[in-house]
Amino acid sequence: GAGVSQSPSNKVTEKGKDVELRCDPISGHTALYWYRQSLGQGLEFLIYFQGNSAPDKSGLPSDRFSAERTGGSVSTLTIQRTQQEDSAVYLCASSLDGGGLAGTGQYFGPGTRLLVL
Amino acid sequence: AQSVTQLGSHVSVSEGALVLLRCNYSSSVPPYLFWYVQYPNQGLQLLLKYTTGATLVKGINGFEAEFKKSETSFHLTKPSAHMSDAAEYFCAVRPSWGNMLTFGGGTRLMVKP
Repeated sequence: GAGVSQSPSNKVTEKGKDVELRCDPISGHTALYWYRQSLGQGLEFLIYFQGNSAPDKSGLPSDRFSAERTGGSVSTLTIQRTQQEDSAVYLCASSLDGGGLAGTGQYFGPGTRLLVL
Repeated sequence: AQSVTQLGSHVSVSEGALVLLRCNYSSSVPPYLFWYVQYPNQGLQLLLKYTTGATLVKGINGFEAEFKKSETSFHLTKPSAHMSDAAEYFCAVRPSWGNMLTFGGGTRLMVKP
């Protein structure tokens, strides 16, 4: 079946503009995660959704970052007033469940490479 | 708080040689443990995971890892490296009650012909 898909694959924007990044999880996966991968910081957790709710937003770096998920499926990560330090690869992952006992793996999409000029 | 340390940001082996990528974690209780591989310009692919049960875990592409609680380690091995194994490898942990993955800094594996 189809894996996690993300769009756009690449995004170049000017400092101060808003951007929206989209993630389509694997069908049937109730948990969805956003991570950021940058040269200086490695892989960082941003936010976790279980269904449409986000019980863990602890990784969002500032209030310029927000995310939503609708219909228990597609998620959008929005970065307002982008800064150069926001340049990174934004990775989305999904899993069958969130916490719980199953310990299911998270399956990652190809990422969106964001460059803020 | 959990943390993951991958010893060696770069590892170089000859084709056919043993691959050993090291991962140590710190956690108050044994977490779930994962290894991911990332090929250039691609996302992360799950190689293998440890949750409970047998401490030696086999994954895809001939890789395996052993959970050693006493050493808080989860090293990744492969008996014989192949050119196609060249990639970046990430060790990650997740608490059994939680959801977010905490990643190590990654190890770039280079395979020489």
